Formats: sequence, C-alpha cells, structure tokens
Amino acid sequence: TQLLEQSPQFLSIQEGENLTVYCNSSSVFSSLQWYRQEPGEGPVLLVTVVTGGEVKKLKRLTFQFGDARKDSSLHITAAQPGDTGLYLCAGESNSGYALNFGKGTSLLVTP
Amino acid sequence: DSGVTQTPKHLITATGQRVTLRCSPRSGDLSVYWYQQSLDQGLQFLIQYYNGEERAKGNILERFSAQQFPDLHSELNLSSLELGDSALYFCASSVVGGQAFFGQGTRLTVV
Repeated sequence: TQLLEQSPQFLSIQEGENLTVYCNSSSVFSSLQWYRQEPGEGPVLLVTVVTGGEVKKLKRLTFQFGDARKDSSLHITAAQPGDTGLYLCAGESNSGYALNFGKGTSLLVTP
Repeated sequence: DSGVTQTPKHLITATGQRVTLRCSPRSGDLSVYWYQQSLDQGLQFLIQYYNGEERAKGNILERFSAQQFPDLHSELNLSSLELGDSALYFCASSVVGGQAFFGQGTRLTVV
C-alpha cells in the first residue's frame, strides 16, 4: 500500500489568513486528487493533478503536483469560514483501480 | 447530492452481530468501491466491484464481504462485529477511468 502523509493534521486559522497543506509520499503516483469532506458527508473531489510540476487554480485554492509526482500541496488564499472541512489527498493505487487516501488535514476557519 | 445512495445512515448494533450496508451507485456507473473511515486509520479502501465482478481488494477483513448485484447495487456484509469495527462506511461509484462520487456514508456503532 502506497502511503500518503498529510500535514498538518489540524489547522485552526482566522478568516483572511493564507494556509498551505501538504501531501507527501515516497511513491510515484500517476495522478493525485484532492477532496474536501464536510461533517456528515462523503468526500467531494476538488481537483485532479496529473503532470509533474502541474499547478491548478480553483478560485482561491491553488494545487501543485511535485515534479517527481510524489507530493502535492494545497494553498488557500484569504481563507473563509466556508473553507472549513477535512481536506484529503488521494493517489491511485498500484493496481490503478482504487484510491489510497491520506488521513487528511482538518481545517477550521473562524470569523 | 452525489447521486450515490447509501442506507441506512446510522446503525447501532451489538458485538458479535451481523449487518448489511447497501449502496445504489449513480445511474450508469459500473464501478462500486467501499471504504471505511475511522479517526485513527483515515479513509481505507476495502473492495471494488465492476459490473458484478470483484475487481480489487484492499484492507478488507475476512469477516467482511461484499457483492454487486445485476442491477449494480452493492451490499457490504459485516459479521462477528467487534467494537473496533465502529466507523463510517462509504460507498463510491464511477465510470471506468472517471471521477469517483461518494455517498453520504453509513455510521456504524458497535456496542
């Protein structure tokens, strides 16, 4: 099983602050996905990154895939309370059939 | 609404018992995945079915089994339940090579 380590585990910030969360592995992934999960709900896909060095932007969220395709980061600019949730990264398994998830970063943005 | 329906939403049962969790995938999705989410282990892949056939196995215990029926709905059977089996169980579905959509999960509490 390819291990994905996410950091930090918990993050509590005030509205308007910037933050970065990380997803690291010793394994190479063909693609990496970021999900957000809210309490009582299933994870919802935010973005998929495929190419090493790729940067994708989704409004105030910026996702980067490492050059070696082993790590990724998510940067949020001017965080808002609506950004609160559990952020999960996931990579395709060796079989290519199912996703392996990190344990997630729990983000709390207070007004 | 992801289009993936899981029932029941909550389940409380005693140790040693057996339960069945049900998942109806999105219309047209042939792949169904089961995941277990706990605080200490995060989101763990259990098993995948594709068009009625088992496609991939993850960290699924021998006490657990699953199947996908001709109408593509899937069931996850958990037997000889232990306290440690208490967790959120998610089902996800996708088309081949497509994005996985997650249901809202079943929260299982074993007492």
